[in-house]
Amino acid sequence: RKEVEQDPGPFNVPEGATVAFNCTYSNSASQSFFWYRQDCRKEPKLLMSVYSSGNEDGRFTAQLNRASQYISLLIRDSKLSDSATYLCVAIRDDKIIFGKGTRLHILP
Amino acid sequence: DAGVIQSPRHEVTEMGQEVTLRCKPISGHDYLFWYRQTMMRGLELLIYFNNNVPIDDSGMPEDRFSAKMPNASFSTLKIQPSEPRDSAVYFCASSPGTVNTEAFFGQGTRLTVV
Repeated sequence: RKEVEQDPGPFNVPEGATVAFNCTYSNSASQSFFWYRQDCRKEPKLLMSVYSSGNEDGRFTAQLNRASQYISLLIRDSKLSDSATYLCVAIRDDKIIFGKGTRLHILP
Repeated sequence: DAGVIQSPRHEVTEMGQEVTLRCKPISGHDYLFWYRQTMMRGLELLIYFNNNVPIDDSGMPEDRFSAKMPNASFSTLKIQPSEPRDSAVYFCASSPGTVNTEAFFGQGTRLTVV
């Protein structure tokens, strides 16, 4: 079992809709969490950090549930430009561990 | 700053040949990471350095892979001899003082071993 797991998708969502996906992590010693975004044939880039109290950045909301060991990402009012792969990241003992990513397609 | 710079961007080589991938991290970043990305396995951490010292190389697949960081501005990942199953995109990333911050990725090297 991989340490960080995500539904690979793809999620096909109409423009303007709300979409959410989760990521589970198996090691309770994981300390920090992030969401990265990766466009096709590009490098991953930081989307947002994930804080225990939950945090919001414009249309994006991230949540952390330590008891159930998962993090989530919610995208409201989705745009065509949100189409990408979203990578969940857990940091444990100074190691940055990526999930395989969830592919999101926003449909016009 | 130009960001993390990797070279070459693309590499096609024959099985058995030596391949060297290069990375210049962002100036002032203390951490440097090498990742490999494939469709099947996703983004895998191969090795990372802190202040030029290798900290964890447990992700290096086998002895054919080696990485060095002779100074703060340069790192190499070498595969010798290369095999077709090494075909992947190899990313280098750097991060400032603590790893619990954003990692900045280079554009990657797309390696094809035929």
